[in-house]
Amino acid sequence: KNEVEQSPQNLTAQEGEFITINCSYSVGISALHWLQQHPGGGIVSLFMLSSGKKKHGRLIATINIQEKHSSLHITASHPRDSAVYICAAGSAGTYKYIFGTGTRLKVLA
Amino acid sequence: GAGVSQSPSNKVTEKGKDVELRCDPISGHTALYWYRQSLGQGLEFLIYFQGNSAPDKSGLPSDRFSAERTGGSVSTLTIQRTQQEDSAVYLCASSFRGTASTEQYFGPGTRLTVT
Repeated sequence: KNEVEQSPQNLTAQEGEFITINCSYSVGISALHWLQQHPGGGIVSLFMLSSGKKKHGRLIATINIQEKHSSLHITASHPRDSAVYICAAGSAGTYKYIFGTGTRLKVLA
Repeated sequence: GAGVSQSPSNKVTEKGKDVELRCDPISGHTALYWYRQSLGQGLEFLIYFQGNSAPDKSGLPSDRFSAERTGGSVSTLTIQRTQQEDSAVYLCASSFRGTASTEQYFGPGTRLTVT
């Protein structure tokens, strides 16, 4: 079993839909990171969180430390949100990110 | 300001040749990471630098892979005697500190194709 599990692996949505991507981890963390990778593009950091909830525009990230679970929500999805979303657990006491395998999101116009 | 840059962006090489991939981190970032992403796969850790030293080389797949960092800045990943299974995107990232609660900034990657 992977230390960081994401679901779903693939997701297709219609423009305007509310989207949720889930991440569960089994390691102790100092932070949980959500990253975005566009096709052919580099990786950008969306959120880093260690508790509670963060919001940036239409994106919301939440984390439940007790349940070792985080979610990334996209409200009013748009085709430009199409990308791979990666959850990474920042392993406590180390420098390491432990990556999930990513969720490939496609938003149709 | 300038982000992390990598060169070349694409590299096609024949099996058995050596290749060098370069990473220029963000100025002032002491930590530097190399990752590999094979087609359709997740990110695979290769090596971590703190300053010029590499306290963790555990992710290097074989002794054909080596990396160095000079002046606490530029890093070079070298793959000797390339094999077809080395084909992947090689990503570099840097961060202000080498802790897992520090944001890593990723470069655009080098796509390596071994024919």
